[in-house]
Amino acid sequence: AQSVTQPDIHITVSEGASLELRCNYSYGATPYLFWYVQSPGQGLQLLLKYFSGDTLVQGIKGFEAEFKRSQSSFNLRKPSVHWSDAAEYFCAVGPGGYQKVTFGIGTKLQVIP
Amino acid sequence: DAGVIQSPRHEVTEMGQEVTLRCKPISGHDYLFWYRQTMMRGLELLIYFNNNVPIDDSGMPEDRFSAKMPNASFSTLKIQPSEPRDSAVYFCASSFEVGQRPSGANVLTFGAGSRLTVL
Repeated sequence: AQSVTQPDIHITVSEGASLELRCNYSYGATPYLFWYVQSPGQGLQLLLKYFSGDTLVQGIKGFEAEFKRSQSSFNLRKPSVHWSDAAEYFCAVGPGGYQKVTFGIGTKLQVIP
Repeated sequence: DAGVIQSPRHEVTEMGQEVTLRCKPISGHDYLFWYRQTMMRGLELLIYFNNNVPIDDSGMPEDRFSAKMPNASFSTLKIQPSEPRDSAVYFCASSFEVGQRPSGANVLTFGAGSRLTVL
């Protein structure tokens, strides 16, 4: 069965600092991987996705993620965090097509001035 | 497009009452998903539809939960009778299949959610 682990429930960074959110997955084949962001009171919005090809994926809002098969990881990064990035971030894995996408528990990001 | 529209945004009810949550997916999307989000369990898939047909309802917690999709532009999730442990945020999401792999089908567009509180 597929699963996603986000080891950090809560992270605090200073505005302007770099950010890395960790995601490890378990899946038997080549996975489809996603990062979604949820602002307070809102639904989830897709930041980026990995289906195949280049393992470094660019997303919206200046985010990127790198797929590392050997480490079963898909960490999300941003070089300089803005206060508006404060939100909850969800990593997700799926087998492709319309099958179930499994979400991680989420990492809540706090940005301090 | 106005996106995925859910109603009500907030619902407070008493234990034993019937609750109906509604969802209007994005026009042209042929997949619809219902998720439940809680602090303890995170985001759980309850059920999903393809072309209005329920495909997988294995995530529906028990018989008190039911979901329907009578047409391509409307779906309901019903809880009868409701219990305090059903308190959660319920999300509807839709997507579309764009063909062979890689598919766009699991790039989900979420609604803003319905926050349910059962007293």
